[in-house]
Amino acid sequence: DGGITQSPKYLFRKEGQNVTLSCEQNLNHDAMYWYRQDPGQGLRLIYYSQIVNDFQKGDIAEGYSVSREKKESFPLTVTSAQKNPTAFYLCASSIARQTLDQPQHFGDGTRLSIL
Amino acid sequence: QKEVEQNSGPLSVPEGAIASLNCTYSDRGSQSFFWYRQYSGKSPELIMFIYSNGDKEDGRFTAQLNKASQYVSLLIRDSQPSDSATYLCAVNAGGTSYGKLTFGQGTILTVHP
Repeated sequence: DGGITQSPKYLFRKEGQNVTLSCEQNLNHDAMYWYRQDPGQGLRLIYYSQIVNDFQKGDIAEGYSVSREKKESFPLTVTSAQKNPTAFYLCASSIARQTLDQPQHFGDGTRLSIL
Repeated sequence: QKEVEQNSGPLSVPEGAIASLNCTYSDRGSQSFFWYRQYSGKSPELIMFIYSNGDKEDGRFTAQLNKASQYVSLLIRDSQPSDSATYLCAVNAGGTSYGKLTFGQGTILTVHP
């Protein structure tokens, strides 16, 4: 079945530690996105990538880093510079075609907490 | 002013009633609009999208778009308890940012038997 796989489901970070969240898709989508969701809030864009080896900062990129070495994969690293990392992290993908009917499809998310 | 704003909830309706969820956006150049449903603890799932003025129907769901008023809504007819969830409005500005969505804060809907 085609879809987006995020791992792990739950992740705990110690002070001063970098952690990496995995996102893999087999939908053959060009574009991939990372969002952060805090309790009772909407989604805020961290980074997005429309093509391999290229990515752009979203609205809240500070303290995060990404790479896009393969079309299928868009890992997110939460660095120690991100002082409030506790949140629900969602990865999404879409066809990067310049049309109006291109929804984003989401993985199941990763819950990150501080130890 | 927030870029995408949804009516503050929570919204509570009885089973069988029509639930009306509203969303306004600030970027007049916005081109397409998406409604997602998110159950507690789960990821968002697409309900429907709209990009032309007027109504678009899909089963019990109707999306309404008024670009002049910068307003998009979602009507759920014959509401069921299984419709209880958070509904997220998302807007695509188009242009060089094609594919990039801006989300509202969500409206919590509760359908009580």
